[in-house]
Amino acid sequence: KNEVEQSPQNLTAQEGEFITINCSYSVGISALHWLQQHPGGGIVSLFMLSSGKKKHGRLIATINIQEKHSSLHITASHPRDSAVYICAVRTGNQFYFGTGTSLTVIP
Amino acid sequence: DAGVTQSPTHLIKTRGQQVTLRCSPISGHKSVSWYQQVLGQGPQFIFQYYEKEERGRGNFPDRFSARQFPNYSSELNVNALLLGDSALYLCASRGVGGYTFGSGTRLTVV
Repeated sequence: KNEVEQSPQNLTAQEGEFITINCSYSVGISALHWLQQHPGGGIVSLFMLSSGKKKHGRLIATINIQEKHSSLHITASHPRDSAVYICAVRTGNQFYFGTGTSLTVIP
Repeated sequence: DAGVTQSPTHLIKTRGQQVTLRCSPISGHKSVSWYQQVLGQGPQFIFQYYEKEERGRGNFPDRFSARQFPNYSSELNVNALLLGDSALYLCASRGVGGYTFGSGTRLTVV
């Protein structure tokens, strides 16, 4: 069993739709990260959370420590949001990564 | 300020060969960690170094080794390459502001 589970694995949305990606984890964590990976591989860190909620532009990330669950929301989605979104949890010095959610936003 | 720099960006090696991948962290970041991402999967932790000392090791065979230099740059070495070592190798550096990932080195073993 993976330490980090993401859903859905693949997601296709129309431009403008509200998108939610979910992440559940089974280990004790010091922080949870949401990462964005574009074709070609480079990873961009979107959020680091240890509690509550963070917002950056059209992106919102929430975490519920008791339920070991986090969500990444994208409001008013745009084709440039198309990428793989990866949930990663940090325990001490080590990261555990989800397998990613591949998002395609259609114009 | 430059981000995390990895070199080379792409590499093709033959089974049995050895490879060295390089990572330069963000200036001021003293911690570097390495990850392997096989196509279609999430990254897997390989090593973490802080102040030139190994602070963590993932579940990888001894063919994988790494080191960190006085300027905090790091090298990942893989010996006796196998086809299954073909992957994107990511480096991340950690500082006060959090973690920053490099764009990775795509290694293909043929």
